[in-house]
Amino acid sequence: QQQVKQSPQSLIVQKGGISIINCAYENTAFDYFPWYQQFPGKGPALLIAIRPDVSEKKEGRFTISFNKSAKQFSLHIMDSQPGDSATYFCAARHSGNTPLVFGKGTRLSVIA
Amino acid sequence: GAVVSQHPSWVICKSGTSVKIECRSLDFQATTMFWYRQFPKQSLMLMATSNEGSKATYEQGVEKDKFLINHASLTLSTLTVTSAHPEDSSFYICSARPGATDNQPQHFGDGTRLSIL
Repeated sequence: QQQVKQSPQSLIVQKGGISIINCAYENTAFDYFPWYQQFPGKGPALLIAIRPDVSEKKEGRFTISFNKSAKQFSLHIMDSQPGDSATYFCAARHSGNTPLVFGKGTRLSVIA
Repeated sequence: GAVVSQHPSWVICKSGTSVKIECRSLDFQATTMFWYRQFPKQSLMLMATSNEGSKATYEQGVEKDKFLINHASLTLSTLTVTSAHPEDSSFYICSARPGATDNQPQHFGDGTRLSIL
């Protein structure tokens, strides 16, 4: 049973456009929701994270929107650049020293 | 920021040999480290949780005798793939979080690509 469902599987966006990736979860005990960026041959790097007490968090061109009642959260990449082309993973975990549970990933390609 | 270092980054070996992968937290102490496995174009699958000074906790379906984990200090965890076979070829990634509180993000190493011939 997949605990975090991520869509789309792949995404092509024009340079300067907005990239939107969505995730949904079932476990209401989750209280931490990060997004990671992974380039080929590298480990995931933390981009931005949010907790359920806020509905939105913005860091530079990256914004997380969080809808607690719908149990959904999304990543928006504004002014997408070719250098943003990578695989993005949403994740979640609940309190305590617990591991992250990952979505299946979205391969983003930003074309000029 | 917090850095997690993995070594080696790439290893190729013959079937039947054992391979040890090291994971170090360079600028923080980690009572818990996590080991993930990633197949091409797939997500990260948690293999085990490594606890300093105690036995690792393995996920369902992961053979503990196959994937030996040792977390001997607060900055080092090792994963040993014993008697490796071609089906063990994969990308192994470790992760650690500073301290044991909920407010710290989880950081990942750059992974080890294991190829068994």
